[in-house]
Amino acid sequence: NAGVTQTPKFQVLKTGQSMTLQCAQDMNHEYMSWYRQDPGMGLRLIHYSVGAGITDQGEVPNGYNVSRSTTEDFPLRLLSAAPSQTSVYFCASSYAPGYEQYFGPGTRLTVT
Amino acid sequence: GESVGLHLPTLSVQEGDNSIINCAYSNSASDYFIWYKQESGKGPQFIIDIRSNMDKRQGQRVTVLLNKTVKHLSLQIAATQPGDSAVYFCAENVPVQGAQKLVFGQGTRLTINP
Repeated sequence: NAGVTQTPKFQVLKTGQSMTLQCAQDMNHEYMSWYRQDPGMGLRLIHYSVGAGITDQGEVPNGYNVSRSTTEDFPLRLLSAAPSQTSVYFCASSYAPGYEQYFGPGTRLTVT
Repeated sequence: GESVGLHLPTLSVQEGDNSIINCAYSNSASDYFIWYKQESGKGPQFIIDIRSNMDKRQGQRVTVLLNKTVKHLSLQIAATQPGDSAVYFCAENVPVQGAQKLVFGQGTRLTINP
């Protein structure tokens, strides 16, 4: 069981570039979510999904897109990167809402 | 609005002592609360959780207390060890149409002194 995996671990983008952060889990969890963590702050919810084909916005969704075509994968797309999106991004999954969330190791993104 | 905050951003304790980390939450509809531990360069790691129908839950060396009257959550760590040094986050689950919206606090950095 690999748990929740994220790629890449580090990424540097120029302003305006686009990219996709990958997230996968092998626990057959229905619920997956993306968070960003900025220095000195807790995690803030970007988008979440309660199952394949279903996604919804979290607290800070602007500038990000998600899709959930399979139970295992939940990629996060940055459409046009901005310096304000410099952050550490965590993906998480859980059996269902209201159950323990398992977090991936994170992707550290820098936008210059 | 929804917010989860911590009373102390940093906490230093002597190895072997007990530590208490506090958290205030604001949403009375929150039904589930979690404490996470985050070590440098890693993702948050689940420590213990508690549902809103309970006021105390114990794990191995950790206890979570929930006071719904004053919307207060605390994490007690017994006999702290050097490996307990980390940032600790509380989070509240706000029910949103059957989904899960976790609202995290700012975090408390716990340092264990030898």
